[in-house]
Amino acid sequence: EDQVTQSPEALRLQEGESSSLNCSYTVSGLRGLFWYRQDPGKGPEFLFTLYSAGEEKEKERLKATLTKKESFLHITAPKPEDSATYLCAVQAKTTDSWGKFQFGAGTQVVVTP
Amino acid sequence: EAQVTQNPRYLITVTGKKLTVTCSQNMNHEYMSWYRQDPGLGLRQIYYSMNVEVTDKGDVPEGYKVSRKEKRNFPLILESPSPNQTSLYFCASSKILGTYTDTQYFGPGTRLTVL
Repeated sequence: EDQVTQSPEALRLQEGESSSLNCSYTVSGLRGLFWYRQDPGKGPEFLFTLYSAGEEKEKERLKATLTKKESFLHITAPKPEDSATYLCAVQAKTTDSWGKFQFGAGTQVVVTP
Repeated sequence: EAQVTQNPRYLITVTGKKLTVTCSQNMNHEYMSWYRQDPGLGLRQIYYSMNVEVTDKGDVPEGYKVSRKEKRNFPLILESPSPNQTSLYFCASSKILGTYTDTQYFGPGTRLTVL
């Protein structure tokens, strides 16, 4: 069964203190891995899509990487506005249901000044 | 402005009273999907649609119905709501690129309470 596990559940950082979030997955062939940011009371907002092991993508202070079993979201020198819940989702390569997505439970990040 | 809209945003209802949550997108996206979000469980997919008249079950379809008669609309129907369907619901849409879905755009959410 496809599974997505995110760790840690919560992360408290000082401003400027870099860290990484983990998303480990087990799927029968990966079509794509997605990272989203979610602010309280709002819908998830797209950050990155990764398709194959070794791929990396960057946006401001965020960098996402992908291996065959997990993905990392690195936050470099975070600011308070980076406080949010970060969600990981995978889409499997099954031929009959490639519209299905599995989300992890998320990592809640709080960045204090 | 490109967006996904959901109505209502908040709803309190009673067990067994049929309800519909509407979802509409103005981006001409082929793919639409419904999710529920519960504390500690993350987002779970209820149903999705690859195009008009094409729908399929996600991981938690029991107790829900959907229809896709027009490309822009994808309503979620709860024919006999129960308290375990109390949750935060999100609709999402995206373009389909070959056999890939592009970025999913999410609506603002509908908070449903079933008493």
